[in-house]
Amino acid sequence: AQSVTQLDSHVSVSEGTPVLLRCNYSSSYSPSLFWYVQHPNKGLQLLLKYTSAATLVKGINGFEAEFKKSETSFHLTKPSAHMSDAAEYFCVLDSNYQLIWGAGTKLIIKP
Amino acid sequence: GAVVSQHPSWVICKSGTSVKIECRSLDFQATTMFWYRQFPKQSLMLMATSNEGSKATYEQGVEKDKFLINHASLTLSTLTVTSAHPEDSSFYICSARDRSSGGHIQYFGAGTRLSVL
Repeated sequence: AQSVTQLDSHVSVSEGTPVLLRCNYSSSYSPSLFWYVQHPNKGLQLLLKYTSAATLVKGINGFEAEFKKSETSFHLTKPSAHMSDAAEYFCVLDSNYQLIWGAGTKLIIKP
Repeated sequence: GAVVSQHPSWVICKSGTSVKIECRSLDFQATTMFWYRQFPKQSLMLMATSNEGSKATYEQGVEKDKFLINHASLTLSTLTVTSAHPEDSSFYICSARDRSSGGHIQYFGAGTRLSVL
């Protein structure tokens, strides 16, 4: 069975501190994994994608994610949070051309 | 980068009326277009998948007579909410798979906020 679990519904960090948004997946196929961001009242924007090339994937706005097959994880990180990073983040599994969405993690940035 | 234009961005309508939402891929041809619905504080839920020139495939529980999808060309899909009711109020998002990337990447529209009075 294919599934995506985002382990935290909310993450709150201070500006300038590291960000970690956790995502675990389950897939019978070789997965492609994506992180999307949705700012308030905006559409979804692709942050980064893993499609079986390098396991450490760099995305836009300083975000990166590491694909760890042994842990079935694809956690999203950023070294230093910025106020503009406040948004909802979705981890998405593309398994056999079917998109499976995580429930989302709301990232809150404290001044 | 690839752009998907969704129109209108916000619509308010009276109960019982129909609303049409357009989704256009502006600089690429879309193999497939998708329609999602997002309830407050929840993840996106796929409503239907449409391929150009063929009937849409609806997800279980989505009323095909209520949510009419037309995919007339490789760059345009429309979703019509017929006889809208307040419970149809939601955020609707379309996406399109880019044919030139092998259909692997989806690009999303900015969404349409529907409020039914």
